Amino acid sequence: EAEVAQSPRYKITEKSQAVAFWCDPISGHATLYWYRQILGQGPELLVQFQDESVVDDSQLPKDRFSAERLKGVDSTLKIQPAELGDSAMYLCASSLGAGANYGYTFGSGTRLTVV
Amino acid sequence: GQQLNQSPQSMFIQEGEDVSMNCTSSSIFNTWLWYKQDPGEGPVLLIALYKAGELTSNGRLTAQFGITRKDSFLNISASIPSDVGIYFCAGHSNNDMRFGAGTRLTVKP
Repeated sequence: EAEVAQSPRYKITEKSQAVAFWCDPISGHATLYWYRQILGQGPELLVQFQDESVVDDSQLPKDRFSAERLKGVDSTLKIQPAELGDSAMYLCASSLGAGANYGYTFGSGTRLTVV
Repeated sequence: GQQLNQSPQSMFIQEGEDVSMNCTSSSIFNTWLWYKQDPGEGPVLLIALYKAGELTSNGRLTAQFGITRKDSFLNISASIPSDVGIYFCAGHSNNDMRFGAGTRLTVKP
């Protein structure tokens, strides 16, 4: 079964350092999402791509977070500098299209701990 | 923004018991979805509901899309130990999907 690949699975970084996460969506999925999930809460959307274009980044803290999907396939989410409050699970999801009827498939996530 | 209120926050039940959880919102959604998340993994879609009033089953799971489009419930019948996990409701409208805070289910054998 096709999967959304994310790496690394776990990342520990010191505050003020830079950190990056990578996501490879299911082949052919045009829409890619990055979500942040704080422990004990549901996922919250950070950024949505349609192919290589950003569709929604209204919840992305742009002073320190950036995301790109240069060729419309895999994507990178970066945090610089990391802060203690950034500790969370970062989930990537992909779908064929932007509507809910296409279904979202989530990756296993990257668990970030900032110390 | 849109906020989903999911309850209960947690449940401790005996194997074989039925479970019910629900989600309400102040806003209307076009689609309601229910996900399950195991520790250290991403959410996995269980059921999707596309029409107000729709009642859908998937094995021991049954979910309904409320008539007002502002609520949904999920029932699990005859729970088994592998039902343990966190269940999330999600509402989708206008290219935007919002999640509830989750219901943590513990099943005692």
